[in-house]
Amino acid sequence: QVQLVESGGGSVKPGGFLRLSCAASKFIFSDYYMSWIRQAPGKGLEWVSYISSSGSAISYTDSLKGRVTISRDNAKNLLYLEMNSLRAEDTAVYYCARGSRYCSGGTCDPNFYFDFWGQGTLVTVSS
Amino acid sequence: QSALTQPPSASGSPGQSVTISCTGSSSDVGGYNYVSWYQQHPGKAPKVMVYEVNKRPAGVPDRFSGSKSGNTASLTVSGLQAEDEADYYCSSYAGSNNFVFGSGTKVTVL
Repeated sequence: QVQLVESGGGSVKPGGFLRLSCAASKFIFSDYYMSWIRQAPGKGLEWVSYISSSGSAISYTDSLKGRVTISRDNAKNLLYLEMNSLRAEDTAVYYCARGSRYCSGGTCDPNFYFDFWGQGTLVTVSS
Repeated sequence: QSALTQPPSASGSPGQSVTISCTGSSSDVGGYNYVSWYQQHPGKAPKVMVYEVNKRPAGVPDRFSGSKSGNTASLTVSGLQAEDEADYYCSSYAGSNNFVFGSGTKVTVL
């Protein structure tokens, strides 16, 4: 069964930096696009960032552009999210999620939903 | 990238049906047939229940069904069961590798 395990969360002061990691296993990591999605305490889900299977295409939610960087290491089956200039409103559980794809006739295309999620890592920004 | 609009709450008795709406715009829900729905129990990660508007992943009961009309998508849970009590979120592809989630709906089984 697909496994996604996030790490790197913790408590940090406003203005600080964190790097989150997501270890993927039980599937061919380099075949799938990935995303980070966060959820503030008691609030809804918020998509944060996308990275293509090769890492060549990246996108971010407008509210976080310039403060977060997504990357991946396909050789190590790892997904990363670097966050800087952290603010109290960045306090949330951060999930990594695998992007689904549909394969037919030897070709695969994304079908734009998230079929597997990690259990999340909590980031708390507080002075 | 505004959140899709969902009603904060919905409820029904066991065996009844409940329908949750998800309203976006022509840039997301109305523009693509890539609407998905996620169920989240307290303290747990979300789980996909419907994708591509009306398709169910393996293992999801056929009590869960999805539809879309214009800029509004809907999730219907028929034959409500106690374990269906959870938060539900819609999501839509919004073009250029961007995604947007709904505001979430808490479903209560009375």
